[in-house]
Amino acid sequence: QKEVEQDPGPLSVPEGAIVSLNCTYSNSAFQYFMWYRQYSRKGPELLMYTYSSGNKEDGRFTAQVDKSSKYISLFIRDSQPSDSATYLCAMSGYSGAGSYQLTFGKGTKLSVIP
Amino acid sequence: KAGVTQTPRYLIKTRGQQVTLSCSPISGHRSVSWYQQTPGQGLQFLFEYFSETQRNKGNFPGRFSGRQFSNSRSEMNVSTLELGDSALYLCASSLGVDLNEKLFFGSGTQLSVL
Repeated sequence: QKEVEQDPGPLSVPEGAIVSLNCTYSNSAFQYFMWYRQYSRKGPELLMYTYSSGNKEDGRFTAQVDKSSKYISLFIRDSQPSDSATYLCAMSGYSGAGSYQLTFGKGTKLSVIP
Repeated sequence: KAGVTQTPRYLIKTRGQQVTLSCSPISGHRSVSWYQQTPGQGLQFLFEYFSETQRNKGNFPGRFSGRQFSNSRSEMNVSTLELGDSALYLCASSLGVDLNEKLFFGSGTQLSVL
């Protein structure tokens, strides 16, 4: 079982829709949870950064963490064509290999259709 | 403030050759991490350097190595290239004080091995 599981999509939604992206994880050592957005031919850009269970909101984006279920989500409200990108979840802590690192999901490719 | 700079952006090599990639972190950042990104495996952690010392290492063979200079700039070297080394190589920087700090990524070097 991979440490972080993320549905790769692709996910296609109409403009204005609410988007829900999810990741599950198996490693209880993960402490911090992040969402990155990656546009084509660019590096990942940090979108949300959370520590505790609960919700964190930033504009149209809401990150949700449920440590008891080992499940994190990113919600995008009123989605825009400019939100079209690959979204990667990431978690920091000691990995199964024993090193302290950021472990990423494989990413979900999102397309928002005008 | 300039972001993380990676050079070159694109590189084409043949099997058996070696390659060196360069990364200049954000000014003031002392930690540099390297990641390999492929469609099949996603983003995988290679290693992290802080103050010219390797502080964390992922699960890659010894053909992958790196170093960091006193000005925090970092290089990554891959020897005896294999076809499977074709990937986007990303560098990320952070202050390096706290292992859970936010990472800032460069745009990457796209390596193609023929």
